[in-house]
This record gives sequence, C-alpha cells and structure tokens, in this order.
Amino acid sequence: AQSVTQPDIHITVSEGASLELRCNYSYGATPYLFWYVQSPGQGLQLLLKYFSGDTLVQGIKGFEAEFKRSQSSFNLRKPSVHWSDAAEYFCAVGAVEYGNKLVFGAGTILRVKS
Amino acid sequence: DGGITQSPKYLFRKEGQNVTLSCEQNLNHDAMYWYRQDPGQGLRLIYYSQIVNDFQKGDIAEGYSVSREKKESFPLTVTSAQKNPTAFYLCASSISGITDTQYFGPGTRLTVL
Repeated sequence: AQSVTQPDIHITVSEGASLELRCNYSYGATPYLFWYVQSPGQGLQLLLKYFSGDTLVQGIKGFEAEFKRSQSSFNLRKPSVHWSDAAEYFCAVGAVEYGNKLVFGAGTILRVKS
Repeated sequence: DGGITQSPKYLFRKEGQNVTLSCEQNLNHDAMYWYRQDPGQGLRLIYYSQIVNDFQKGDIAEGYSVSREKKESFPLTVTSAQKNPTAFYLCASSISGITDTQYFGPGTRLTVL
C-alpha cells in the first residue's frame, strides 16, 4: 500500500535559522511529490511539486525540496525561516498507476521562535 | 476572483441528522475532491470526481455521499451512518490529472452534538 511518513509532528526553529522538514514515502510506482502548507483553520496552498528532471525543485516563499530516489525521500528546506512561516506542512504523493488521487502525510507543525 | 468556495465555515448538527456541505469552484476545473482532516492524521480522501456525473470512492467513503451534477459543484452529504463525523472538511479541485495542482477551499468545520 502507498504511504507517506512525516516523522516530525512538531518542529520549533528560531527566526532566521534554517529549516528541514522530512518526508518519506512508500510507493510501488514512479511518484509525483508535493508539499503543501496550511495556516490554522484555512485550506492548503501548494509550495512546490516534483514530477521528473532536476531533483532539486524551487517553490514559493523561498522553499525548496530535494527528491532522493534511493532514500525514498522528498525533504523540504528553507535557508532562513521567517515568523510568517509558522504553519502546518504536508507532504503528498501520487502516481498515475494509483488513480487521480494523492496520499497525504500526517503533517508537521512548524513553530518559529523570535 | 477565481477560487473555491465552501459554506458554511462552521456547521453544527445533532447526532442522527444528515448534513450537506457545499463546495463550488469557478476555476473551470474538471476534477474535484473531498478530504477529511483530523488532528495528527493529515488529510484523508473521502470521494473524488474527475468529470461531471462520475465520482469514485476514496479511502474513507463509508457514511458519506456525493453528487456531481454540474462541473462547478460537488456537494458532500455526511449521513447518520458516519460514526464520527466531527471533523474539518476540505474541498479541492484541479484541472484534471494527478500532475495538476490541487486548489483548496477554506474548509468547513462540522461539529456533531
């Protein structure tokens, strides 16, 4: 079965520090990978996505993610966190072989210390 | 402005009552989705539709029903058969396929008393 694991439920970083959020997946097919962000009580917004090509992808708000096939990972990074980045972050995976749907991880809540 | 509208933002119902959550989009997207969000569990797919008059069950369809009579509308009914309906419900749409970005509505928080 397809699954997505975000090992960290909560992460706290200081403003200006670097950030890495982890995502591991288990899929029996070539995956399509996404990172979404959710502010409290709101819908989700796409940060970035990876389908093929360069394994380092750039997204909005200064975020980037690197696809590592050998590790089945798609970790999200940001060099310098801003207080406005405090939110919940979701990794999602899909594959054509499993239909037109995504499987989401449980999410990581990011807290930013000033 | 193009986007996805979900109404109402908050909904309260008594146990045993059916309730319908609204989702409307003016993005001209073919595909629409309903997700349920519970703390610590991420988003779980309830139903999705890739075209008008067609829809498929997601991972947790029991106790829910949907219709897709118009391209812009995808209402979700939470029936009395749903054992634990209190949750945050999110609707999304995309152009068509798995590689297309899903755009999310603001969500409806349903509380069953």
